[in-house]
Amino acid sequence: DQQVKQNSPSLSVQEGRISILNCDYTNSMFDYFLWYKKYPAEGPTFLISISSIKDKNEDGRFTVFLNKSAKHLSLHIVPSQPGDSAVYFCAARNYNTDKLIFGTGTRLQVFP
Amino acid sequence: NAGVTQTPKFQVLKTGQSMTLQCAQDMNHEYMSWYRQDPGMGLRLIHYSVGAGITDQGEVPNGYNVSRSTTEDFPLRLLSAAPSQTSVYFCASSRSTGGYNSPLHFGNGTRLTVT
Repeated sequence: DQQVKQNSPSLSVQEGRISILNCDYTNSMFDYFLWYKKYPAEGPTFLISISSIKDKNEDGRFTVFLNKSAKHLSLHIVPSQPGDSAVYFCAARNYNTDKLIFGTGTRLQVFP
Repeated sequence: NAGVTQTPKFQVLKTGQSMTLQCAQDMNHEYMSWYRQDPGMGLRLIHYSVGAGITDQGEVPNGYNVSRSTTEDFPLRLLSAAPSQTSVYFCASSRSTGGYNSPLHFGNGTRLTVT
């Protein structure tokens, strides 16, 4: 039972355009959400997070939006750059178990 | 600053063999964890530790053992390797459980193949 779902395995975007990565969750016990970025042959690195008491968090070119009623979050990258090409994982913290659950990842390719 | 160091980077085992994946961190983090990454499955928690002497099971603990005798080290033992354990393994650490203001720091992974 996948509690955190990233339904798009891959996404291709032109440099300079907006990249939108989506994540859906099913568990109402999640209260904190994170995005991690992973390059080949490296471990994931933390990118941005959002608490369930907010609906938006921005850090430079990266913005995460949270829609609690829809149990949906999204990561916007504007403008997209070739160096953003990576696999992006969303993760959610269960406040009851204090464990992080990861999604399956979306591979983003930014082409010139 | 090395962060989280995993060894080896690659390993091939035969079914039934045992081995230990090493993980060390130099950030004085109390929380350490092991994940496995499989295609279409994301990152799944195997075992975790909230401090020296304390370990607990994650989502997929069967076939693996851990111990935490020091704050720095958190080895993962495969008792009798099976082909289903072919995966990429990541060790991660953080000040707390990877939640508020305490994101996980990951190592670069160990790619394990069991034949």
